[in-house]
Amino acid sequence: GENVEQHPSTLSVQEGDSAVIKCTYSDSASNYFPWYKQELGKGPQLIIDIRSNVGEKKDQRIAVTLNKTAKHFSLHITETQPEDSAVYFCADNAGGTSYGKLTFGQGTILTVHP
Amino acid sequence: ETGVTQTPRHLVMGMTNKKSLKCEQHLGHNAMYWYKQSAKKPLELMFVYNFKEQTENNSVPSRFSPECPNSSHLFLHLHTLQPEDSALYLCASSQEETGGYNEQFFGPGTRLTVL
Repeated sequence: GENVEQHPSTLSVQEGDSAVIKCTYSDSASNYFPWYKQELGKGPQLIIDIRSNVGEKKDQRIAVTLNKTAKHFSLHITETQPEDSAVYFCADNAGGTSYGKLTFGQGTILTVHP
Repeated sequence: ETGVTQTPRHLVMGMTNKKSLKCEQHLGHNAMYWYKQSAKKPLELMFVYNFKEQTENNSVPSRFSPECPNSSHLFLHLHTLQPEDSALYLCASSQEETGGYNEQFFGPGTRLTVL
């Protein structure tokens, strides 16, 4: 089945620094790659996503890049703030099935120190 | 608020108990999901309902029994669970569209502890 690998598992940065989280996927037919942020006591919330027809997407301080050839995609957070501290999950749509099945990475615990 | 609510938020049960988890979405979506989230593991998809029909069952043990009476409500019936079933159970919903692009909206989860 589809496999999504996420690194690193933990990431600690100083406020104002950038943070980068990387994921690799195995099914070349996957065409949708969302990123979710999960805060303590809450369910995951979508923060940004990218489709396979573009290589980069940006929304204020967050951006996602996609390399289809290498089958990896990355989340970039610039000018990090303490409220960015959370668990971040990448996912793909498991070969582009129409039933919306997502395969998630293992998660990255991001800590931003003031 | 994401538009997806789950009750109860916390549940402690013995291995011989029967309980149910409830999920309700107020977004008009046509697909709903159950996930299991355990410590140090990726989110595990358990069940998918699309237009009330179960379209995915990821080899989940029969002690977990889903029910989707309509497109807004989803239940997970629990019976004779094991301690290793203790986890956060997340419900999600989405509006299916062609192409497989699918933003899923998650509820806050039910923290289940099996004694």
